[in-house]
Amino acid sequence: QKEVEQDPGPLSVPEGAIVSLNCTYSNSAFQYFMWYRQYSRKGPELLMYTYSSGNKEDGRFTAQVDKSSKYISLFIRDSQPSDSATYLCAMSASNFNKFYFGSGTKLNVKP
Amino acid sequence: EAGVTQFPSHSVIEKGQTVTLRCDPISGHDNLYWYRRVMGKEIKFLLHFVKESKQDESGMPNNRFLAERTGGTYSTLKVQPAELEDSGVYFCASSPPSPNTGELFFGEGSRLTVL
Repeated sequence: QKEVEQDPGPLSVPEGAIVSLNCTYSNSAFQYFMWYRQYSRKGPELLMYTYSSGNKEDGRFTAQVDKSSKYISLFIRDSQPSDSATYLCAMSASNFNKFYFGSGTKLNVKP
Repeated sequence: EAGVTQFPSHSVIEKGQTVTLRCDPISGHDNLYWYRRVMGKEIKFLLHFVKESKQDESGMPNNRFLAERTGGTYSTLKVQPAELEDSGVYFCASSPPSPNTGELFFGEGSRLTVL
């Protein structure tokens, strides 16, 4: 069983749509939850970072963590063509020794 | 400030040959990680350095892989001899010393193709 499960997509939406991206995980030791964005032929870049359960908002992006269900989400409001990328969830226990990544969801926002 | 740099960006070698990948982390970042992405799969942890010490190398596939971090600065990942299943993108990432926020700064990756 994978540590982190993520639907690979691809997900295609019209500009302005609300996008919902999700991951599930199995390891209850995970405390830190991150979303990375990766453009083609580039390295991943941190988008959102959340500690334990709860919500975090940053502009058009909202990250949610539900530790009881082992489920995390990223919402993108008013999606833009520039949001087209692969979105990777990542998780770590408290020591940051090792990060576990989902396989990534490829998002395409059509103008 | 320079980001994480990796060299080469792409390497094509034949099975049985040796390849060495290099990573220069952001200056001052004690933590250095190697990850690998095989086509269609998730990015997987290989190992973690804190300065020059290996903190965790549990993700290294086998003894054909050797990672070093000379003087706690740049790092190399050598694959010898390379096999077909070693093909993929090798990412290096670094992060500051404690308190660690958990943000990894990635390089653009070294794409390895083994024929």
